[in-house]
Amino acid sequence: IAGITQAPTSQILAAGRRMTLRCTQDMRHNAMYWYRQDLGLGLRLIHYSNTAGTTGKGEVPDGYSVSRANTDDFPLTLASAVPSQTSVYFCASSDSVASDVLTFGAGSRLTVL
Amino acid sequence: SQQGEEDPQALSIQEGENATMNCSYKTSINNLQWYRQNSGRGLVHLILIRSNEREKHSGRLRVTLDTSKKSSSLLITASRAADTASYFCATAPTGANSKLTFGKGITLSVRP
Repeated sequence: IAGITQAPTSQILAAGRRMTLRCTQDMRHNAMYWYRQDLGLGLRLIHYSNTAGTTGKGEVPDGYSVSRANTDDFPLTLASAVPSQTSVYFCASSDSVASDVLTFGAGSRLTVL
Repeated sequence: SQQGEEDPQALSIQEGENATMNCSYKTSINNLQWYRQNSGRGLVHLILIRSNEREKHSGRLRVTLDTSKKSSSLLITASRAADTASYFCATAPTGANSKLTFGKGITLSVRP
């Protein structure tokens, strides 16, 4: 089934540890995005990539980094996790920057203690 | 910061009734979209309305857009218990490299 696969689905992490959330899409979409969803705050864009080889900062990029080595994969790394990064993280993609319509993954629930 | 603000924050209706959800936004947009999220799942795109459109239909969904008031509404007719979910409006602002911005969402409960 075409779509977005995120891993892990859930993770508990000690503060200060490094963590990479994985995201893979099989739709050959050009643009990919990482959002975090927090109660009362909705979805906020962390980082995005308009096409393979390029990345950009969203609304809340601090403490996160991304890479886009190829079309399909867009990992999100927390270099040194802090409790405020406890959230549900969603990866999304769109077939072009202009189309705007996003396809979302199922999410990764991260708890930082 | 959120571009779209949904209203109400929560809505509870009886099965068979219509559900109306509203969204207001602040800046010029290329389009406005509505997404649905079931508990514990990712968001799913429902419908997109462009800035030059005033109304759009998709099955039991009807979306309106008033760019002069910077507002949109989503109507779900003849609601079903399976419509219980959170609904988000998302706006695509005009301007180069602008990204889709989501509101905080509306929680809809449809009682059987």
